[in-house]
Amino acid sequence: AQKITQTQPGMFVQEKEAVTLDCTYDTSDQSYGLFWYKQPSSGEMIFLIYQGSYDEQNATEGRYSLNFQKARKSANLVISASQLGDSAMYFCAMREGKNTGFQKLVFGTGTRLLVSP
Amino acid sequence: GAGVSQSPSNKVTEKGKDVELRCDPISGHTALYWYRQSLGQGLEFLIYFQGNSAPDKSGLPSDRFSAERTGGSVSTLTIQRTQQEDSAVYLCASSLGTGFFNEQFFGPGTRLTVL
Repeated sequence: AQKITQTQPGMFVQEKEAVTLDCTYDTSDQSYGLFWYKQPSSGEMIFLIYQGSYDEQNATEGRYSLNFQKARKSANLVISASQLGDSAMYFCAMREGKNTGFQKLVFGTGTRLLVSP
Repeated sequence: GAGVSQSPSNKVTEKGKDVELRCDPISGHTALYWYRQSLGQGLEFLIYFQGNSAPDKSGLPSDRFSAERTGGSVSTLTIQRTQQEDSAVYLCASSLGTGFFNEQFFGPGTRLTVL
């Protein structure tokens, strides 16, 4: 079963507008972490934001915020005031398990965001 | 400060040849990961090293794949008898420790093309 689902293969947004990138996840663990990474055309993966399963407040990092709805198992990324440089692939990922030795991230298939002037 | 570096950046090889991909993690990072990204896909976990512990090899797709990490620093991913389906970008990442929130810093990747 797919652990991370990103249903939007591509999204378009105009500069300065906000955009939401969807991510749903599947886990039976109580302890898990959710990550969003950005991958520009250069290929590097850039960490954006993290949400722990026990965090009561939604994570925010500058223009990025994570709309965490635990009961729905969703962790959508919201980018406010889009900029041309936000055009990239965005990946949602999950780390599950209480065991600190269990370190791997499971990634979704990504959403390609295109910001137009 | 130096980030994660990988070499070569591109590798073209013929089917059946062996290849070695290198990763230099961020200094002081005890954890090192290898992932594979096939065209248009997300990242697929391959292997994880943490300090002197036995590596987690659960993501290696076949016994043609192996990896080692010498001296707790540099890592080499080896693919023997390469196949066309091995063509992908191989990404290395490192992280500082083993806390639950554990940001992984990624390198630029090695693009492998098997002809």
